[in-house]
Amino acid sequence: QVQLQESGPGLVKPSETLSLTCTVSGGSISSYYWSWIRQPPGKGLEWIGYIYYSGSTNYNPSLKSRVTISVDTSKNQFSLKLSSVTAADTAVYYCAGQLRLGELSLGYWGQGTLVTVSS
Amino acid sequence: DIQLTQSPSFLSASVGDRVTITCRASQGISSYLAWYQQKPGKAPKLLIYAASTLQSGVPSRFSGSGSGTEFTLTISSLQPEDFATYYCQQLNSYIFTFGPGTKVDIK
Repeated sequence: QVQLQESGPGLVKPSETLSLTCTVSGGSISSYYWSWIRQPPGKGLEWIGYIYYSGSTNYNPSLKSRVTISVDTSKNQFSLKLSSVTAADTAVYYCAGQLRLGELSLGYWGQGTLVTVSS
Repeated sequence: DIQLTQSPSFLSASVGDRVTITCRASQGISSYLAWYQQKPGKAPKLLIYAASTLQSGVPSRFSGSGSGTEFTLTISSLQPEDFATYYCQQLNSYIFTFGPGTKVDIK
């Protein structure tokens, strides 16, 4: 069973860069798409972007100028960097993976990690 | 970009009720639509993919239908564990938009 686990600082200062890593266990990161999603407190889900294991990416246009998603296949991990953060970036951040080859729906999710932007 | 709307945004229902949630896309997305259930403090859970395919392990009281721009999620007989927020997501374009969500609460 594929499992995902987010890790990274829970507190980031305004104007700094938020960095999170998602570790995939129980399966290989290769051949699949991997996504980041966030959810501000009390609000809905916002898709941030995805990366294919080969390194190709696609991002939400509203965040594109500040987002970088990368992958490290040797560690079975993928990562999120969000620059120039403000209080509006405070959210629970989830990593997720596609259900299976040929089906892009997000069948596997991490438990989520709360990142607060505050000085 | 493709936008998704959901209706209603809030729904109050009783155990045993039949519940229908609608998701509309701003342009045609074929059947590239998924439904998720999210309970407070938990990650979303995939219920339905490809508009109408039930994810393994999901009770058969959940069903999905539709194609193009209009989709529905139906719960045939609402159970206590179904009180949650439901989101649709389109995967047609390479921007995987979520709908705003529908909260199903106890009447």
